[in-house]
Amino acid sequence: AQSVTQLGSHVSVSEGALVLLRCNYSSSVPPYLFWYVQYPNQGLQLLLKYTTGATLVKGINGFEAEFKKSETSFHLTKPSAHMSDAAEYFCAVSEGNEKLTFGTGTRLTIIP
Amino acid sequence: DAGVIQSPRHEVTEMGQEVTLRCKPISGHNSLFWYRQTMMRGLELLIYFNNNVPIDDSGMPEDRFSAKMPNASFSTLKIQPSEPRDSAVYFCASTFSGSETQYFGPGTRLLVL
Repeated sequence: AQSVTQLGSHVSVSEGALVLLRCNYSSSVPPYLFWYVQYPNQGLQLLLKYTTGATLVKGINGFEAEFKKSETSFHLTKPSAHMSDAAEYFCAVSEGNEKLTFGTGTRLTIIP
Repeated sequence: DAGVIQSPRHEVTEMGQEVTLRCKPISGHNSLFWYRQTMMRGLELLIYFNNNVPIDDSGMPEDRFSAKMPNASFSTLKIQPSEPRDSAVYFCASTFSGSETQYFGPGTRLLVL
């Protein structure tokens, strides 16, 4: 069975600082990995995804994530945080059958 | 192009009442997913359909919950009777075969008193 662990339910960073949100997964087959963002009172929006190929994936709003098979990780980063990045971020895994399993989410707060 | 449409956006009801949530997927998408989001349990997949057929309903909590997809452009999630512990945000998402990306609706915030 597939699963996702997001370390840190709350992360705070200063505006302009590096954003690092951690995600580790478990999967019995080569996984598809996703990061979604949820702004208050809205649905989830895809930030980026990894399926096959290049392990460093770039997404919208300057975010990127690197798939590391040896570490079973897919951490999300952004070099310089912006106030508009404040939201909840969800890591998800799929075994290629359309069914997503989500982590518990990380709430990102940006300190002015 | 319109995204996934859900109605109502907010629902307040009393325990024991029937609740019906509605979803219109993106035109051309043939897979539809219902999720429930709570503080305690996070985001849970309840059921998903492919070509209007339920594929996996293992996440449906109990017999009080039922979902239908009578055609490619409409789905309902029904709770009967509703209970306070059903209070949550319910999301609908859709995608098309071969795509790994699910597109989410804005959600229905349900409060059962």
